[in-house]
Amino acid sequence: DAGVIQSPRHEVTEMGQEVTLRCKPISGHNSLFWYRQTMMRGLELLIYFNNNVPIDDSGMPEDRFSAKMPNASFSTLKIQPSEPRDSAVYFCASSSDRNTEAFFGQGTRLTVV
Amino acid sequence: AQRVTQPEKLLSVFKGAPVELKCNYSYSGSPELFWYVQYSRQRLQLLLRHISRESIKGFTADLNKGETSFHLKKPFAQEEDSAMYYCALSSYNFNKFYFGSGTKLNVKP
Repeated sequence: DAGVIQSPRHEVTEMGQEVTLRCKPISGHNSLFWYRQTMMRGLELLIYFNNNVPIDDSGMPEDRFSAKMPNASFSTLKIQPSEPRDSAVYFCASSSDRNTEAFFGQGTRLTVV
Repeated sequence: AQRVTQPEKLLSVFKGAPVELKCNYSYSGSPELFWYVQYSRQRLQLLLRHISRESIKGFTADLNKGETSFHLKKPFAQEEDSAMYYCALSSYNFNKFYFGSGTKLNVKP
């Protein structure tokens, strides 16, 4: 397995534009997490899915952020409209009920100018 | 409420010196504790977990339930240990992970 795959690796966009980040979890994993990493706040959990269902989205900063998981092998995190303060590295991670480790993707470095 | 606290944002030590990265947690049940490491511009990866009671790259961590701590230790730091370290806690059903804010370890030559 290639691990958790995120795309794109880097995204530069203008303020006000829509941004979509993508994640493919490890096959067989039934939990998926989206995290945001910044210097100021470290690693923040945005949303967590279990069996494709959003379980906890209390970390989503505001309505501009939305996440979906239409099937077990794909998830998206969308920001619309984007703002400069959204600039961060966004990580996706997955885990299974049988393995207590969370596996992380390479992250997407988002820059909103 | 579940919380993981890493009080130090930055820790600088000289090569060969002992290092201890602090982690305290609060959790209402029996937690699973982890340390993750992130080398420069790479993905986070698991360093060790408390149930394994193992030493990875010379690092160890002991879960102290009385003090609700899971400090990461290494007797002799190496330059290649320079990285960002995150302490993490997972719920008893292992379906949710809480991370601390991270500690940047800088090992100077």
